[in-house]
Amino acid sequence: ETGVTQSPTHLIKTRGQQVTLRCSSQSGHNTVSWYQQALGQGPQFIFQYYREEENGRGNFPPRFSGLQFPNYSSELNVNALELDDSALYLCASSLTGLGNSPLHFGNGTRLTVT
Amino acid sequence: AQSVTQLDSHVSVSEGTPVLLRCNYSSSYSPSLFWYVQHPNKGLQLLLKYTSAATLVKGINGFEAEFKKSETSFHLTKPSAHMSDAAEYFCVVSGGNRDDKIIFGKGTRLHILP
Repeated sequence: ETGVTQSPTHLIKTRGQQVTLRCSSQSGHNTVSWYQQALGQGPQFIFQYYREEENGRGNFPPRFSGLQFPNYSSELNVNALELDDSALYLCASSLTGLGNSPLHFGNGTRLTVT
Repeated sequence: AQSVTQLDSHVSVSEGTPVLLRCNYSSSYSPSLFWYVQHPNKGLQLLLKYTSAATLVKGINGFEAEFKKSETSFHLTKPSAHMSDAAEYFCVVSGGNRDDKIIFGKGTRLHILP
């Protein structure tokens, strides 16, 4: 069973640039969710994809967007990067996407915006 | 609307003594509740989950939590702390539907004293 993998592990970008983060879900999981974790804070829910459709979104602006592919892998795109976007971005997959389905996390992508 | 409050940002215990990490939640319907652990520079790992079955839930590494509806609490305990338990712990509340948001607490940093 392959776990959740994220790439890259670290990334440095300049304010105003765009970034794409990638996530491969755990085998058999059809739901992927993304989280932003600022230093010293708990993860904040960005959005969730179930079978290639976005079906839940947190309080993040439209410049945060995503995709889910037929193999259930996913991308998080952030446009017009701001300094406050510096954080650990976590991807999680789950078996059903229902609220009682545990999340399986990747190790995250550390994004630094300068 | 749902919310979760972790009552302590830091907890320090001596090795071999009991651990208590406190979590209160608010939900307008029967929630699913989880505890996750995060070791430094790692993703989150599921410790245990409550989904309206037994109110006392046993998890990995000797942790357990008790769901108390009357107190809206879901505290995490362990009888005897080990040095390897030093980490950040997150209490999470979720609804039963796919479009329900997943809410993380701000985390409790557990320190184990030798």
